[in-house]
Amino acid sequence: GESVGLHLPTLSVQEGDNSIINCAYSNSASDYFIWYKQESGKGPQFIIDIRSNMDKRQGQRVTVLLNKTVKHLSLQIAATQPGDSAVYFCAENSSGYSTLTFGKGTMLLVSP
Amino acid sequence: NAGVTQTPKFQVLKTGQSMTLQCAQDMNHEYMSWYRQDPGMGLRLIHYSVGAGITDQGEVPNGYNVSRSTTEDFPLRLLSAAPSQTSVYFCASSPPRTSGDTNEQFFGPGTRLTVL
Repeated sequence: GESVGLHLPTLSVQEGDNSIINCAYSNSASDYFIWYKQESGKGPQFIIDIRSNMDKRQGQRVTVLLNKTVKHLSLQIAATQPGDSAVYFCAENSSGYSTLTFGKGTMLLVSP
Repeated sequence: NAGVTQTPKFQVLKTGQSMTLQCAQDMNHEYMSWYRQDPGMGLRLIHYSVGAGITDQGEVPNGYNVSRSTTEDFPLRLLSAAPSQTSVYFCASSPPRTSGDTNEQFFGPGTRLTVL
C-alpha cells in the first residue's frame, strides 16, 4: 500500500471561497519568505514574498501573513478560482545565504 | 527572454548509466541551483552556484556533479544512475540578494528522470 508520508496535505474549497494555506518554518534566522505555486507538470511559479520586518503583504487576490513569534506563514487566496488548483510551497531564506529551503507543499483543489 | 530552459524534458536510464541534465538561463543571473522533487518531499537542493566557477553542495549532493564554466549554463551530471535518483529535476536561477531586493528564483520546466 501507499505510505501516508507520500500524500500532500490537501485543501478542498468551492469556487468563490477564500482559501488559507499554512506553513510552519523552522529557522529563526530566516528573514525572507516566498510562496510558490506549482501546477501539474510545471516548475514552481512565484506568487508573493514577504520580509521579516513585515507582518502582512498583499498582492492581487493574495495576502501573505507572517507570525515570527510562532514561526508561521500563511497564504490567503480571495475568491478562489479553479485555475488556482495547484500545489503551493512556502520557502524561506536567511540573509547572506543564496539558497531557499522549501516546505513540503499543500495541494489546493478548487471545485466549480 | 526564454528564462530558464532545461533539456531533456524526459529521460529513461538504466542503472549505472551516466548522463547530463542541461540548464541554461538568459537573464544574466548569478545564482543557479538544482533541485529534485519527489512525491510528498517538496523540493530538495542538490547543488548550487553563486557565480561562474563557484559551486557548492546542497542538501542531497551524493551521486551528482555540477560545474559552472559560464554564467548562463549549469549542467547537472549523474555519474552512475541509481533507481533512487528517479525524480523530477528542476533548475532555478536568481539574481544575488541585496538589501531591498527579492530573492525570487525562476524555475525551469523540469526534467522527469526514470532510472530502471
